[in-house]
Amino acid sequence: DAGITQSPRHKVTETGTPVTLRCHQTENHRYMYWYRQDPGHGLRLIHYSYGVKDTDKGEVSDGYSVSRSKTEDFLLTLESATSSQTSVYFCAISESAWQGGKNTEAFFGQGTRLTVV
Amino acid sequence: AQSVAQPEDQVNVAEGNPLTVKCTYSVSGNPYLFWYVQYPNRGLQFLLKYITGDNLVKGSYGFEAEFNKSQTSFHLKKPSALVSDSALYFCAVRDIRNTGKLIFGQGTTLQVKP
Repeated sequence: DAGITQSPRHKVTETGTPVTLRCHQTENHRYMYWYRQDPGHGLRLIHYSYGVKDTDKGEVSDGYSVSRSKTEDFLLTLESATSSQTSVYFCAISESAWQGGKNTEAFFGQGTRLTVV
Repeated sequence: AQSVAQPEDQVNVAEGNPLTVKCTYSVSGNPYLFWYVQYPNRGLQFLLKYITGDNLVKGSYGFEAEFNKSQTSFHLKKPSALVSDSALYFCAVRDIRNTGKLIFGQGTTLQVKP
């Protein structure tokens, strides 16, 4: 399995509190992604990073921020958690986005189940 | 903007029969296309990808997919389904003009019955 670790794996938090999820990789891959998975919505991209300090918004970025200060870590922060952010969050990494001798497929972590009460 | 559509929420097939899970995409440039599978309470596992070249690509566990540029489709297929193939399947697309953005479809649940 690709070296991806998400922490925590489970979290229950109260509405209005800030929450930070961590994705750590040991593969030295350039690209990192945060997704949320909800029934009926599939997998939706929140934010992604294409290098250290290079990030961009995905489909559902409102209420979320990210930071990537070093290659191995990609942090997702819920500024003020709401019940609508209850979800399973997945981190993914990819060595390359374009062919050129490098793998282009993404590898996923095991997910973080977040419950906002 | 890039997008992916999986028109079927669920596909039911009998064991031993061929299966098809449909996917259509929309990108402004040339697409990179992927299929993933998710088993209950697990992360996603990579099955196969289309980058360039032969329109029929083969992947893990006997799965294959056919790229059709004119129909903007990338359907997942398997000649003979197994009960163990029952899972949630996701199609994904990356637009090579974009900065690595990877978008997934809504997923299709495959149910293979004995």
